[in-house]
Amino acid sequence: EDQVTQSPEALRLQEGESSSLNCSYTVSGLRGLFWYRQDPGKGPEFLFTLYSAGEEKEKERLKATLTKKESFLHITAPKPEDSATYLCAVQANSGYALNFGKGTSLLVTP
Amino acid sequence: DADVTQTPRNRITKTGKRIMLECSQTKGHDRMYWYRQDPGLGLRLIYYSFDVKDINKGEISDGYSVSRQAQAKFSLSLESAIPNQTALYFCATSGTPNTGELFFGEGSRLTVL
Repeated sequence: EDQVTQSPEALRLQEGESSSLNCSYTVSGLRGLFWYRQDPGKGPEFLFTLYSAGEEKEKERLKATLTKKESFLHITAPKPEDSATYLCAVQANSGYALNFGKGTSLLVTP
Repeated sequence: DADVTQTPRNRITKTGKRIMLECSQTKGHDRMYWYRQDPGLGLRLIYYSFDVKDINKGEISDGYSVSRQAQAKFSLSLESAIPNQTALYFCATSGTPNTGELFFGEGSRLTVL
């Protein structure tokens, strides 16, 4: 059975304090690993897709990386507007729907 | 206008009532999904549809049914609502080849008393 575990559950950072969020996964043949951002009261918003170990994607202050067992979302010099819940999800080779982790709630204070 | 629209956005109902949540999309995507989100449990898949004639159960389909009326419309029904179906429900779509890139609606908050 596919499993996705995100840590930590919650993270509080000072503005400018870089850190990383972790997503550990087990899947029977990875088709893709996905990162989403969710603001309170909103639907999740797609950020990145990673397909194979060693792949990296960047967007503004965010960089996602992938190994055979986990993915990291690195946040460099975060700003308060980066505060949100970040969700990780995996898709198996069967092309089935995504399996989501429970998310990491990030709060960035000025 | 939003690409994925859910109605109603908020609904309070009583145990035993029938409820329908509706979803329509203008993305032109074939794939549509219904998820529910509960605090501490994350997003869980209820049903998904890869085209109008293809509907599949997700991990938590008991107590729910769906209808894919057209490529753009996918509705979720609770035939007899119960309190533990109180949750935030999301409709999502995806297209090919990027089937994992989901586009979510704003959500429908359902409270069953």
